[in-house]
Amino acid sequence: SQQGEEDPQALSIQEGENATMNCSYKTSINNLQWYRQNSGRGLVHLILIRSNEREKHSGRLRVTLDTSKKSSSLLITASRAADTASYFCATDAIQGAQKLVFGQGTRLTINP
Amino acid sequence: ETGVTQSPTHLIKTRGQQVTLRCSSQSGHNTVSWYQQALGQGPQFIFQYYREEENGRGNFPPRFSGLQFPNYSSELNVNALELDDSALYLCASSLPGGRATDTQYFGPGTRLTVL
Repeated sequence: SQQGEEDPQALSIQEGENATMNCSYKTSINNLQWYRQNSGRGLVHLILIRSNEREKHSGRLRVTLDTSKKSSSLLITASRAADTASYFCATDAIQGAQKLVFGQGTRLTINP
Repeated sequence: ETGVTQSPTHLIKTRGQQVTLRCSSQSGHNTVSWYQQALGQGPQFIFQYYREEENGRGNFPPRFSGLQFPNYSSELNVNALELDDSALYLCASSLPGGRATDTQYFGPGTRLTVL
Protein backbone atom coordinates (compact mmCIF):
# COMPACT_ATOMS: atom_id res chain seq x y z
CA SER A 1 0.00 0.00 0.00
CA GLN A 2 1.13 3.53 -0.64
CA GLN A 3 2.48 5.60 2.23
CA GLY A 4 1.04 8.92 1.14
CA GLU A 5 -2.58 9.59 0.30
CA GLU A 6 -3.61 12.86 -1.30
CA ASP A 7 -6.92 14.55 -0.75
CA PRO A 8 -8.93 15.49 -2.72
CA GLN A 9 -8.38 13.17 -5.68
CA ALA A 10 -9.54 15.94 -8.01
CA LEU A 11 -9.93 19.69 -7.59
CA SER A 12 -11.34 22.23 -10.03
CA ILE A 13 -11.11 25.98 -9.34
CA GLN A 14 -11.22 29.30 -11.16
CA GLU A 15 -8.07 31.07 -12.22
CA GLY A 16 -6.87 33.41 -9.52
CA GLU A 17 -8.26 31.34 -6.66
CA ASN A 18 -6.09 29.45 -4.18
CA ALA A 19 -5.76 25.67 -4.34
CA THR A 20 -5.09 23.50 -1.32
CA MET A 21 -4.12 19.84 -1.48
CA ASN A 22 -3.53 17.55 1.46
CA CYS A 23 -1.33 14.52 2.00
CA SER A 24 -1.51 12.02 4.82
CA TYR A 25 1.04 9.33 5.55
CA LYS A 26 1.36 6.40 7.90
CA THR A 27 4.86 6.10 9.34
CA SER A 28 7.48 8.50 10.68
CA ILE A 29 9.43 10.24 7.95
CA ASN A 30 12.73 12.00 7.35
CA ASN A 31 11.25 14.42 4.82
CA LEU A 32 8.29 14.96 2.51
CA GLN A 33 8.42 16.18 -1.05
CA TRP A 34 5.84 17.55 -3.48
CA TYR A 35 6.02 16.95 -7.23
CA ARG A 36 3.97 18.15 -10.19
CA GLN A 37 3.18 16.10 -13.30
CA ASN A 38 1.74 17.50 -16.51
CA SER A 39 -0.32 15.18 -18.73
CA GLY A 40 1.33 11.88 -17.85
CA ARG A 41 4.86 13.13 -18.47
CA GLY A 42 7.82 13.35 -16.11
CA LEU A 43 7.47 14.70 -12.61
CA VAL A 44 8.94 18.03 -11.58
CA HIS A 45 10.18 18.55 -8.04
CA LEU A 46 8.45 21.47 -6.30
CA ILE A 47 9.57 21.54 -2.71
CA LEU A 48 11.10 19.41 0.05
CA ILE A 49 10.24 19.88 3.70
CA ARG A 50 12.18 18.14 6.45
CA SER A 51 10.56 16.50 9.46
CA ASN A 52 11.87 19.25 11.77
CA GLU A 53 10.30 22.01 9.64
CA ARG A 54 6.70 23.16 9.92
CA GLU A 55 6.31 25.46 6.94
CA LYS A 56 8.16 26.27 3.76
CA HIS A 57 7.57 28.73 0.93
CA SER A 58 8.66 28.82 -2.69
CA GLY A 59 7.15 31.52 -4.87
CA ARG A 60 3.38 30.96 -4.92
CA LEU A 61 3.74 27.64 -3.10
CA ARG A 62 3.35 27.14 0.62
CA VAL A 63 3.86 23.74 2.22
CA THR A 64 3.07 22.84 5.81
CA LEU A 65 3.98 19.71 7.69
CA ASP A 66 2.36 18.41 10.87
CA THR A 67 4.28 15.34 12.01
CA SER A 68 1.95 14.79 14.97
CA LYS A 69 -0.96 14.34 12.55
CA LYS A 70 1.23 12.77 9.86
CA SER A 71 -0.07 15.20 7.28
CA SER A 72 1.09 17.90 4.90
CA SER A 73 -0.65 20.49 2.78
CA LEU A 74 0.34 22.24 -0.44
CA LEU A 75 -1.18 25.66 -1.08
CA ILE A 76 -0.92 27.29 -4.49
CA THR A 77 -1.90 30.95 -4.34
CA ALA A 78 -3.29 33.02 -7.20
CA SER A 79 -3.65 29.97 -9.44
CA ARG A 80 -2.95 30.15 -13.19
CA ALA A 81 -4.04 27.95 -16.07
CA ALA A 82 -0.47 26.63 -16.27
CA ASP A 83 -0.88 25.16 -12.77
CA THR A 84 -3.25 22.55 -14.22
CA ALA A 85 -1.50 19.26 -13.45
CA SER A 86 -1.40 16.33 -11.05
CA TYR A 87 0.34 16.91 -7.74
CA PHE A 88 1.98 14.13 -5.73
CA CYS A 89 3.44 13.97 -2.27
CA ALA A 90 6.33 11.58 -1.67
CA THR A 91 7.59 10.44 1.69
CA ASP A 92 10.84 8.99 2.89
CA ALA A 93 10.20 6.66 5.83
CA ILE A 94 12.69 6.60 8.70
CA GLN A 95 12.55 2.83 8.90
CA GLY A 96 12.38 0.25 6.17
CA ALA A 97 13.57 0.41 2.59
CA GLN A 98 15.23 3.64 1.55
CA LYS A 99 12.91 4.79 -1.19
CA LEU A 100 10.42 7.52 -1.98
CA VAL A 101 6.82 6.41 -1.68
CA PHE A 102 4.35 8.45 -3.72
CA GLY A 103 0.67 8.96 -3.12
CA GLN A 104 -1.98 8.63 -5.81
CA GLY A 105 -2.01 12.35 -6.51
CA THR A 106 -4.48 15.21 -6.75
CA ARG A 107 -5.62 16.20 -10.23
CA LEU A 108 -5.87 20.02 -10.25
CA THR A 109 -7.76 21.83 -13.00
CA ILE A 110 -7.63 25.62 -13.26
CA ASN A 111 -10.52 27.04 -15.26
CA PRO A 112 -9.97 30.33 -17.12
CA GLU B 1 23.03 21.43 -18.34
CA THR B 2 21.32 18.46 -19.99
CA GLY B 3 18.24 17.04 -18.29
CA VAL B 4 17.21 13.41 -17.97
CA THR B 5 16.32 11.82 -21.28
CA GLN B 6 14.56 8.54 -21.98
CA SER B 7 14.00 6.39 -25.05
CA PRO B 8 11.84 5.31 -26.65
CA THR B 9 8.87 7.59 -25.97
CA HIS B 10 6.30 4.91 -26.68
CA LEU B 11 6.54 1.16 -27.07
CA ILE B 12 4.05 -1.60 -27.83
CA LYS B 13 4.89 -5.20 -26.97
CA THR B 14 2.98 -8.46 -26.67
CA ARG B 15 2.67 -10.61 -23.60
CA GLY B 16 5.73 -12.80 -22.99
CA GLN B 17 8.14 -10.56 -24.85
CA GLN B 18 11.12 -8.75 -23.37
CA VAL B 19 11.73 -5.00 -23.40
CA THR B 20 14.66 -2.67 -22.74
CA LEU B 21 14.15 0.96 -21.82
CA ARG B 22 16.98 3.48 -21.77
CA CYS B 23 17.82 6.54 -19.72
CA SER B 24 20.52 9.16 -19.71
CA SER B 25 20.84 10.89 -16.38
CA GLN B 26 21.22 14.61 -15.85
CA SER B 27 24.75 15.89 -16.31
CA GLY B 28 26.80 15.31 -13.17
CA HIS B 29 24.31 12.89 -11.59
CA ASN B 30 25.61 9.39 -10.86
CA THR B 31 22.53 7.92 -9.16
CA VAL B 32 19.60 6.65 -11.21
CA SER B 33 16.24 5.34 -10.04
CA TRP B 34 13.46 3.73 -12.04
CA TYR B 35 9.75 4.02 -11.31
CA GLN B 36 6.61 2.41 -12.70
CA GLN B 37 3.48 4.55 -12.90
CA ALA B 38 0.20 2.83 -13.72
CA LEU B 39 -2.64 4.93 -15.08
CA GLY B 40 -4.18 7.07 -12.36
CA GLN B 41 -1.61 6.05 -9.77
CA GLY B 42 1.52 7.55 -8.30
CA PRO B 43 4.98 6.31 -9.32
CA GLN B 44 6.24 3.14 -7.63
CA PHE B 45 9.95 2.67 -6.96
CA ILE B 46 11.48 -0.22 -8.88
CA PHE B 47 15.18 0.12 -8.04
CA GLN B 48 18.14 2.47 -7.83
CA TYR B 49 21.61 2.23 -9.32
CA TYR B 50 24.72 3.90 -7.93
CA ARG B 51 28.21 3.34 -9.27
CA GLU B 52 26.91 0.65 -11.61
CA GLU B 53 25.41 -1.47 -8.84
CA GLU B 54 21.83 -1.94 -7.66
CA ASN B 55 21.50 0.04 -4.47
CA GLY B 56 17.93 -0.51 -3.33
CA ARG B 57 14.86 -2.25 -4.72
CA GLY B 58 11.12 -1.96 -4.40
CA ASN B 59 8.52 -4.73 -4.50
CA PHE B 60 9.11 -5.88 -8.05
CA PRO B 61 9.88 -9.43 -9.22
CA PRO B 62 13.31 -10.44 -10.54
CA ARG B 63 12.11 -10.22 -14.15
CA PHE B 64 12.62 -6.48 -13.67
CA SER B 65 16.35 -5.90 -13.91
CA GLY B 66 18.64 -3.03 -14.70
CA LEU B 67 22.08 -1.84 -15.63
CA GLN B 68 24.06 1.31 -15.12
CA PHE B 69 26.99 2.14 -17.35
CA PRO B 70 30.23 4.03 -16.60
CA ASN B 71 28.76 7.16 -18.19
CA TYR B 72 25.86 6.87 -15.70
CA SER B 73 23.29 6.03 -18.36
CA SER B 74 20.97 3.21 -17.41
CA GLU B 75 18.72 0.48 -18.78
CA LEU B 76 15.59 -1.14 -17.41
CA ASN B 77 14.91 -4.64 -18.69
CA VAL B 78 11.63 -6.44 -18.23
CA ASN B 79 11.34 -10.10 -19.18
CA ALA B 80 8.22 -12.19 -19.77
CA LEU B 81 5.98 -9.15 -20.12
CA GLU B 82 2.54 -9.29 -18.54
CA LEU B 83 -0.51 -7.18 -19.32
CA ASP B 84 -0.16 -5.43 -15.94
CA ASP B 85 3.29 -4.18 -16.96
CA SER B 86 1.54 -1.60 -19.15
CA ALA B 87 2.51 1.70 -17.56
CA LEU B 88 4.62 4.82 -17.81
CA TYR B 89 8.21 4.03 -16.85
CA LEU B 90 10.09 6.93 -15.37
CA CYS B 91 13.78 7.33 -14.87
CA ALA B 92 15.07 9.81 -12.31
CA SER B 93 18.53 10.91 -11.35
CA SER B 94 19.78 12.59 -8.21
CA LEU B 95 22.83 14.51 -7.15
CA PRO B 96 26.19 12.69 -6.88
CA GLY B 97 26.20 10.25 -3.99
CA GLY B 98 22.50 10.81 -3.58
CA ARG B 99 20.07 8.34 -2.18
CA ALA B 100 16.80 7.15 -3.64
CA THR B 101 15.12 9.42 -1.10
CA ASP B 102 16.77 12.62 -2.27
CA THR B 103 15.24 15.10 -4.70
CA GLN B 104 14.58 13.25 -7.93
CA TYR B 105 15.03 14.79 -11.40
CA PHE B 106 12.70 12.91 -13.69
CA GLY B 107 12.82 12.18 -17.39
CA PRO B 108 9.73 12.40 -19.60
CA GLY B 109 9.04 8.67 -19.35
CA THR B 110 8.46 5.75 -21.70
CA ARG B 111 4.87 4.65 -22.23
CA LEU B 112 4.82 0.85 -22.48
CA THR B 113 1.73 -0.94 -23.72
CA VAL B 114 1.56 -4.73 -23.44
CA LEU B 115 -1.06 -6.42 -25.62
